[in-house]
Amino acid sequence: DIQMTQSPSAMSASVGDRVTITCRASQGISNYLAWFQQKPGKAPKRLIYAASSLQSGVPSRFSGSGSGTEFTLTISSLQPEDFATYYCLQYHTYPFTFGPGTKVDIK
Amino acid sequence: EVQLVESGGGLVQPGGSLRLSCAASGFTFSDHYMDWVRQAPGKGLEWVARIRNKANSYTTEYAASVKGRFTISRDDSKNSLFLQMNSLKTEDTALYYCVRDRSVVGDGYYFDYWGQGTLVTVSS
Repeated sequence: DIQMTQSPSAMSASVGDRVTITCRASQGISNYLAWFQQKPGKAPKRLIYAASSLQSGVPSRFSGSGSGTEFTLTISSLQPEDFATYYCLQYHTYPFTFGPGTKVDIK
Repeated sequence: EVQLVESGGGLVQPGGSLRLSCAASGFTFSDHYMDWVRQAPGKGLEWVARIRNKANSYTTEYAASVKGRFTISRDDSKNSLFLQMNSLKTEDTALYYCVRDRSVVGDGYYFDYWGQGTLVTVSS
């Protein structure tokens, strides 16, 4: 199975901060990677697909990059509604696997 | 508006069975692959199963943890997705999400819409 790791596992940040979350795959997955945001008690929401394509309706402060084994999700200026847990997902090889998540909370 | 509404969750004893359903609306269900993803209480996300569309013979894929015990199926005439869960274990306790997946009309649909989930609790 392809193992997905995320760093950091948790972070504290302030409104207006630039935030970068990294996701690494144990083997190459081309650009078959998506990013999700999940708030407590809610279903995950897709932010990014194909590593760098922004989901319609998602603010442009979110961006994704990378290919192969290393990927990043960047929030250019953190807003109050962005405090949540973020997950990456590889959908290149079965079984599809999620990263363990990165919790972003308020500093 | 795309909607996915899961049902069928509940409390079941270890070794028991449960059938989850997902009612889809707001899109051409038959065009899409569909998935189940679960989340144990306080834990991360785990992909469970995928079913392709009719054009791809409704073929299926499973996570190793559920293979042989769970069966994903669909009824395109009723815009419905199912998950038959047999030989349930305590570690199957989770919120189960129905998720829309890729489409025959394009590649931008992977895991793009999620239902609100239905809770399955396996306990004696």
